Formats: sequence, C-alpha cells, structure tokens
Amino acid sequence: EDQVTQSPEALRLQEGESSSLNCSYTVSGLRGLFWYRQDPGKGPEFLFTLYSAGEEKEKERLKATLTKKESFLHITAPKPEDSATYLCAVWGGGSNYKLTFGKGTLLTVNP
Amino acid sequence: ETGVTQTPRHLVMGMTNKKSLKCEQHLGHNAMYWYKQSAKKPLELMFVYSLEERVENNSVPSRFSPECPNSSHLFLHLHTLQPEDSALYLCASSVGGSSYEQYFGPGTRLTVT
Repeated sequence: EDQVTQSPEALRLQEGESSSLNCSYTVSGLRGLFWYRQDPGKGPEFLFTLYSAGEEKEKERLKATLTKKESFLHITAPKPEDSATYLCAVWGGGSNYKLTFGKGTLLTVNP
Repeated sequence: ETGVTQTPRHLVMGMTNKKSLKCEQHLGHNAMYWYKQSAKKPLELMFVYSLEERVENNSVPSRFSPECPNSSHLFLHLHTLQPEDSALYLCASSVGGSSYEQYFGPGTRLTVT
C-alpha cells in the first residue's frame, strides 16, 4: 500500500525566512509526485508534478525537488500570502487514477 | 462559471435524510473524482469516473452513491449517514488519469447530526 508522510505538521516562519517542507513516500513504482496548496475553505490548487528522481520545478518562490525516497518543497523568502496547507500526493503503479495524499504541512508566514 | 463548481457549499442533514451533492466541471475534462477530507486525515479517494464509467470505488459504504450522467456533471447521493461522515467533500476533474493534474472544486462542508 502506498504511503505518504509529510513533515513538519506545522511550520511558522517570519517573512523572508526560507525553509523546506518534506514529503517522504513508499510506493510500488512511482509514476508521479504532486504538490498542492490548500487555502482555508477552498479545494487544493495544483502546484507541481515531478516524475523522476533528480527532477526539479520552480514557480515564483517555490521549488520542488524529488529523490527516490522523498520530495522537498523549498520556499525562498516567503511572504504572508504563502500561508496555506501544502499537500503532497503520489501516483503509484496500482491504479491509473488513484493519488495517495499526505496529511499536509500547515505553513504560516508572519509579517 | 469557470473551473470546478460544487453545490451546496454547506449542508447539515439528519441521519435519516436523503440529500445529494452536485459537481460541475467547465474544463472539458474526461475524468471526475469524489474525495473525502476529514480533520487530521489525508484526502481519501472515494470514486472515480472516466468518460462516465466508474473506474474506481475505494471501499466506500453503500450509503454513498455516485452518479455521473455526463462528462461534465457528477453527483454524490447521500442517505442514512452517520455522524462520522461529517467532512469536507471535494470534487475534482482531470484531462485523463493521474498523469494529469487534478483540478478541485471548493468542496461541500457536510455536517451529519
């Protein structure tokens, strides 16, 4: 069974203080790893898809990286508007449709 | 309307009621999904429809009954629910299978009393 563990559960940063969120996974045949952002009262919003170890993707202050066991979401010089819950999900070999999600990391960026 | 819309946004129902959740996607996608999001738990996939055919049923109790009349609309019919079914129910759509990113609606916050 695919498993995803995200750490830390919650993270408080000062504006401008860079940090990283971790997503560790076990999956039989990783076909894709996804990062989503979820604001309170809203559905998750797609950020990135990573397909193979060594791959990196960037969007504004966010950069996602992937190894064979984990993914990191690096946040550089965060702003208060980056405050949200960040979700990681994996797509394994057992289904063409099923994503297995982690519980998420709640990020709060204080001004 | 753009993206994925869900109605109602909030729903309170008794355990003996019957209600339905509605999802509509305006993206021209072929796959639609129902997820359950409970506090302190990961998103749980409930059902997947691809081209109006159910392709995933993730061991969901029969008190939840999905319906996909066409590729743009998805319903979740609810009856005789339990208090533990209280959660945020999210609908999503994608172009195809999981190789494509999923676009989520805002969810329906369901409270079972």
